[in-house]
This record gives sequence, structure tokens and C-alpha cells, in this order.
Amino acid sequence: DIHLTQSPSFLSASVGDRVTITCRASQGISSYLAWFQQKPGKAPKLLIYAASTLQSGVPSRFSGSRSGTEFTLTISSLQPEDFATYYCQQLNSYLFTFGPGTKVDIK
Amino acid sequence: QVQLQESGPGLVRPSQTLSLTCSVSGGSISSGGYFWSWISQYPGKGLEWIGYIYHSGSTYYNPSLKSRVTISVDTSKNQFSVRLSSVTAADTAVYYCARGHKLGWTFDIWGQGTMVTVSS
Repeated sequence: DIHLTQSPSFLSASVGDRVTITCRASQGISSYLAWFQQKPGKAPKLLIYAASTLQSGVPSRFSGSRSGTEFTLTISSLQPEDFATYYCQQLNSYLFTFGPGTKVDIK
Repeated sequence: QVQLQESGPGLVRPSQTLSLTCSVSGGSISSGGYFWSWISQYPGKGLEWIGYIYHSGSTYYNPSLKSRVTISVDTSKNQFSVRLSSVTAADTAVYYCARGHKLGWTFDIWGQGTMVTVSS
């Protein structure tokens, strides 16, 4: 099975900061990598799919990229509503897996 | 606007079967290009994919749960369901239903989630 790791697991940032979260796969995977945002007590919300495609309605400050087995979610200018936990998710051999999450907190 | 809503018991006894239904509104579960999934989130922890079903009835399950899981679809009611047998306290979680799309092989619409506690 492919395992996803995320780094950092926790980060403290200020409004306006540029934030980067990394998701690494234990082996080579396709570009079917998505990013979700989850706030307490709420369902995850799709932000990015296919590594870099912005989901409809998601602000353009969110972007995704890929370099080999490393995928990156970038928030160009952190807004108050962006404080949440972020998960990556991939599909490989008909098995969906999620990363362990990165919590973004207010500095 | 497609919406999903989970329903089912919030408390299940150990060794019994957990059964949940997801009602789809604002669109047809038979729409092409989509699959319908169940995902769990254990308290304070991450997300685990349980399985998915197409409107045709074809299913795919997480191998770690495959022996205990059955997902079914009722297109006449625009609903799909999950059954998880022989539950233990470890199955206590929030259960989400979600719509998946083949475009990105991910989940673009989620239900609000329902908490299921396994306890005697």
C-alpha cells in the first residue's frame, strides 16, 4: 500500500503569511492527488484535485503543485478563515488513502 | 446543487451491524461520471476510505474492511447505504457519505457526517 506523509504536522502562522504544506508518497503515484480543508465539526472541503486543479468556488490564493513524489499545497496569503486542518488524498490501485493532516493555527 | 445527508442509528452495540443511509438531493445518483462513497473519521484522527459504489451497483472496498463491509445503492430512492458488521469500539467514528468524480478521482461533495458510537 502507498502511504502519504504530510509535513509539517502542525504550523503556526499569521494572517497574510505564505504557507506551504507538503505531501509525500511512499512510492510513485499518479497525479490523482487532492487537497482538502477541514474545520472542527465540519466535513472536509475539496480545494485542489489532480494535483493542481482548483476546485470551483475555491479562492485563487490556494494552489497545488507536484515534483516527483512530492505534492505541495500553497496558500499565498493566509486569511482568517484558512485556519483549519489540511489533508492530502490519493488514489492508487483502487485504494483511496488520506494523509495524516496538517493543522494550521494562529500565531 | 447536489446535497448529501447521512441517516442511521447513533449507537450500535458491539458485535452488531452498523447501518447508514445517504440520501442524495438536487441531482440523480444515476448521473454518469460519479461514484458514491463512505469515509470514516475516528475521534481526533484522520480519514479512512471505506468503499464506493457506482449507480450500476459495482463496488470497491478498502481491503482492510472488505470482509465486514457492504455498500448498496437504491436508485429509485436516490440513496446508497453502508453496512459494517461485527463492530467494535474501534469502529466508533464520524461517518461521511461523499460523491466522487472520475475527473480527479476525489470527493467533491460531502454529507455533514454522522457520529456513530459502538458501546454496550
